[in-house]
Amino acid sequence: AQSVTQPDARVTVSEGASLQLRCKYSYSGTPYLFWYVQYPRQGLQLLLKYYSGDPVVQGVNGFEAEFIKSNSSFHLRKASVHWSDSAVYFCAVSADSGGSNYKLTFGKGTLLTVTP
Amino acid sequence: GPKVLQIPSHQIIDMGQMVTLNCDPVSNHLYFYWYKQILGQQMEFLVNFYNGKVMEKSKLFKDQFSVERPDGSYFTLKIQPTALEDSAVYFCASSLQGSDYTFGSGTRLLVI
Repeated sequence: AQSVTQPDARVTVSEGASLQLRCKYSYSGTPYLFWYVQYPRQGLQLLLKYYSGDPVVQGVNGFEAEFIKSNSSFHLRKASVHWSDSAVYFCAVSADSGGSNYKLTFGKGTLLTVTP
Repeated sequence: GPKVLQIPSHQIIDMGQMVTLNCDPVSNHLYFYWYKQILGQQMEFLVNFYNGKVMEKSKLFKDQFSVERPDGSYFTLKIQPTALEDSAVYFCASSLQGSDYTFGSGTRLLVI
């Protein structure tokens, strides 16, 4: 079974500063990895995903993430945060097996607060 | 882009009553999902549905839960009877293939 750990429940950064949100996964096979953002009272919006190839993936709004297999990590980064980035960020893993099961397993989320 | 619509956005219901949550998925999508999110916690998989059948359900998908998509209409989650612990936000998602989901905005269910 797969699992995701987001060790930081809350992160606070100043506007314009760089950001890293941590994510580690557990899965014995080749994982498909995702970062989602959730704004208050809204559904999840996909920031980026990794299926294969270049381990550094670019997403929307300047976000990127790096898949490091040896460390089982998929940390999210942004060079310069904006106040509008304040939200909850979820890391997720899917164990696409080639069948019809494409369920996502989510981490507990990291609440990002960007201060002026 | 294409959207998943969830109706209603909020629902308050008395414990023991039946509730049906409706999801209008993206029109050409083939896979449908329900996830449950208790306030402040992570999203948890409930069930996925493909080709008219439940493919997998989690331990959270109790016997009181059922899903269907009659004749390509709404994808529904029915809870009968409801319990207090069913209070949560229920998110529907759909995908054409793989894990490229489109999520709805959720139905906030409060069982009192």
